[in-house]
Amino acid sequence: NAGVTQTPKFQVLKTGQSMTLQCAQDMNHNSMYWYRQDPGMGLRLIYYSASEGTTDKGEVPNGYNVSRLNKREFSLRLESAAPSQTSVYFCASSESGGGGYTFGSGTRLTVV
Amino acid sequence: GENVEQHPSTLSVQEGDSAVIKCTYSDSASNYFPWYKQELGKRPQLIIDIRSNVGEKKDQRIAVTLNKTAKHFSLHITETQPEDSAVYFCAARFSGGYNKLIFGAGTRLAVHP
Repeated sequence: NAGVTQTPKFQVLKTGQSMTLQCAQDMNHNSMYWYRQDPGMGLRLIYYSASEGTTDKGEVPNGYNVSRLNKREFSLRLESAAPSQTSVYFCASSESGGGGYTFGSGTRLTVV
Repeated sequence: GENVEQHPSTLSVQEGDSAVIKCTYSDSASNYFPWYKQELGKRPQLIIDIRSNVGEKKDQRIAVTLNKTAKHFSLHITETQPEDSAVYFCAARFSGGYNKLIFGAGTRLAVHP
């Protein structure tokens, strides 16, 4: 049972480049989330998907887009990367009725 | 707006002492409050949670208390051990956003032998 799998684990981008962070879960969870983690700022919600076919903005959505491809997969896209998007990105999933999240192992992204 | 404040940002204790981390939240309708532990370079992992219909919950050396009137909740770790050293995050589920959690900024706990 893999839980929540994120790829890639590390990535370096140049300013203006685009990329997609992939996330997949095998726990049959309805809800999925993308957070970014910066020193001293905790985990901030970028986007979430309450169920397949729906997505909503979180606290810091600017500069990102998401796709809930199916129940298992939720991707995060940076169309034109900026140095301010240097961060560690975590995907998570949960039951739709509530309860704690299961996090992926994270993607460490550096934009130069 | 939706906000969770967490204090202190760093905490240093001697092995065997107790540690307390406090959080306040802004939405009186919040009804679920989990705590996560994150070791260096690892993912956050759920260690304990509490729902709004309960005032206290314990699991071995850790406990969480909730004061709904004051809109704050706390994590208590007793008999601390070096392996408790990590960053701890509190979170609150806000109304109107399904299971959307807003996290505190984190507390870096160091337990010294």
